[in-house]
Amino acid sequence: GESVGLHLPTLSVQEGDNSIINCAYSNSASDYFIWYKQESGKGPQFIIDIRSNMDKRQGQRVTVLLNKTVKHLSLQIAATQPGDSAVYFCAELSDSWGKLQFGAGTQVVVTP
Amino acid sequence: KAGVTQTPRYLIKTRGQQVTLSCSPISGHRSVSWYQQTPGQGLQFLFEYFSETQRNKGNFPGRFSGRQFSNSRSEMNVSTLELGDSALYLCASSEGAFAGELFFGEGSRLTVL
Repeated sequence: GESVGLHLPTLSVQEGDNSIINCAYSNSASDYFIWYKQESGKGPQFIIDIRSNMDKRQGQRVTVLLNKTVKHLSLQIAATQPGDSAVYFCAELSDSWGKLQFGAGTQVVVTP
Repeated sequence: KAGVTQTPRYLIKTRGQQVTLSCSPISGHRSVSWYQQTPGQGLQFLFEYFSETQRNKGNFPGRFSGRQFSNSRSEMNVSTLELGDSALYLCASSEGAFAGELFFGEGSRLTVL
């Protein structure tokens, strides 16, 4: 069936460096993608979203890139900080009513 | 504005029992979704409610059910609990017009013994 998956289960990043988290999706009909951050013991927190009619969207220290040709999504975090340590999920909206399909998640570990 | 509130935060049940989890969405949000999170399966969609109507349902057995009240608060119920139902159950709310940006609660951690 259709699914959303992540390439790297764990990403270690030095504080101050940039992080890149990748995500592959298989449903070419998906038109909305979201990145969530989940810290230990907490629920997922919305980071940034992008629609399929866009290639790039920027937020505060984060950028999401969408490559529809290869069905690939990435999240870039600039100047990674210790507070960025968390599990990051990409998700796609498979239909309109609240049904997000989540990837497996990538654990980001920020080292001093 | 208060965030999404889920109760209880932690609970332990035994096989065969049933459980009810509660979710209070952000004030003004009319859509409530439920997700199950486990280490093996990740985050999986259970169901979504809007104005007391279930609009969407995931691939879970009939033991999993839910409802939404007129004040948008929602409950989910799991009957005849199995060991595999041990999970973090997350509730998320959105304004409802477009369900993309979901605001999640902290979750209810269910352990089935």
